[in-house]
Amino acid sequence: GENVEQHPSTLSVQEGDSAVIKCTYSDSASNYFPWYKQELGKRPQLIIDIRSNVGEKKDQRIAVTLNKTAKHFSLHITETQPEDSAVYFCAASPQAGTALIFGKGTTLSVSS
Amino acid sequence: DADVTQTPRNRITKTGKRIMLECSQTKGHDRMYWYRQDPGLGLRLIYYSFDVKDINKGEISDGYSVSRQAQAKFSLSLESAIPNQTALYFCATSDPLAREQFFGPGTRLTVL
Repeated sequence: GENVEQHPSTLSVQEGDSAVIKCTYSDSASNYFPWYKQELGKRPQLIIDIRSNVGEKKDQRIAVTLNKTAKHFSLHITETQPEDSAVYFCAASPQAGTALIFGKGTTLSVSS
Repeated sequence: DADVTQTPRNRITKTGKRIMLECSQTKGHDRMYWYRQDPGLGLRLIYYSFDVKDINKGEISDGYSVSRQAQAKFSLSLESAIPNQTALYFCATSDPLAREQFFGPGTRLTVL
C-alpha cells in the first residue's frame, strides 16, 4: 500500500523567511496530493492540493510542487508570519480512489 | 453551515470497557473516514466507507470496528478498550469528485 514520508518533523524560521516541507510517496498510482494545516487544538484543514497532471500550483504565499518521476512533492511558504505556526500534513491518494494516507506531520514555528 | 460533528468531544474510560464514538455530517457526502492522531505519528487511517454498504479497513483497524448507519452517520467502536488506544480521534468526510476531506472537531479519548 501507499507510504508517505514527510521531512522535517520540526522547522523553526524567523518571520519573513521561507519554509519548505518535503514529502515522498511510494505508490506510483497516486494522483492527488493535498496539504493540511492543523492549528493548536483545531481540526486539520486543507490549504492547497495538486493533482498529478500539474507540476506546480500557487495560492498567494503558499505553493506546492510535484515531481512524479522522483515521487516527491513539496510545500513552500514564503514571507512566513506568526499565524503560519501550526502542524502541516502532506497526504497522497492512489488513483483507485482509496482514502488519503498522511505523512507524520511537520511542526512549523515562526518567531517574530 | 454544513458541518461534521463528533460526540463525545472528550471521554475517559477504563481498560476493558466498550466505547462508541459517533460522527454525523450535514455535508451530504457519501465518503466518511475515521483517523487517530498520536504525537509524532500523524493521522493514521482506521476505517473508511464510500457509501452505506461499503466498509474498508485502513492502516490500523485491529481493535476497532465501525458501523455506517446512514449516509450521514459513521460510528467507531472499541470493543474492549486498552491504554494504547488513548489518542485524538477524527472523523472526516469527502465528496468523490472534489476529494477534499473535511474533518470533525475530534474526540479526545483516554483509556486508563
